[in-house]
Amino acid sequence: DIQMTQSPSSLSASVGDRVSLTCRASQSITRYLNWYQHKAGKAPKLLIYAASSLQGGDSSRFSGSGSGTDFTLTISSLQPEDSATYYCQQSYSTPITFGQGTRLEIK
Amino acid sequence: EVQLVESGGGLVKPGGSLRLSCAASGFSLSIYSMIWVRQAPGKGLEWVSSISSSNSYIYYADSVKGRFTISRDNARNSAYLQMNSLRAEDTAVYYCARDPARISGGSHIPYFFDYWGQGALVVVSS
Repeated sequence: DIQMTQSPSSLSASVGDRVSLTCRASQSITRYLNWYQHKAGKAPKLLIYAASSLQGGDSSRFSGSGSGTDFTLTISSLQPEDSATYYCQQSYSTPITFGQGTRLEIK
Repeated sequence: EVQLVESGGGLVKPGGSLRLSCAASGFSLSIYSMIWVRQAPGKGLEWVSSISSSNSYIYYADSVKGRFTISRDNARNSAYLQMNSLRAEDTAVYYCARDPARISGGSHIPYFFDYWGQGALVVVSS
């Protein structure tokens, strides 16, 4: 199975900050990497697919980069509504696996 | 508007069974793969199972293989998860989601999950 490791596990930042969340795969997954935002009690929301493609209708403050084993989700100019847990997910092979999540707190 | 609504969750004793349903609206289920993902209390997201649009490709996580069965009824625009031999560690919120899937080597591989339901809570406890 492909293991996905996210860092940091949690992060606190201020409104207007630019933050980067990292996801590392245990083997190359080329660009089969997706990012989700999950708020407590809500449905997870797809932000980025195929490493860097922004899901339609989502804010351009979110961007994704990377290939192979190392990937980054960047949020420019943090807003209060960005407080959530962010998960990466590989779709290179089954079983599909998620990272353990990065909890983002807005100060 | 695309909507997915899960139902069928509840409290069940260890060893019992439960069937979750996922009703889709705003799109035709027949051209999409569907997946189930769960989140145990205090834990992250865990992929459970996927079924292709044609029913030809079905995948399960090892943790549920042999106990859970995924199915779909395109005429009813619905997907299902039959859960048997339930264990305490199956306690979780179960989400269904839509998957455009991708084709690799002739197989339909889960890809990304672009719409999700609100989730159904399953509690396995005596």
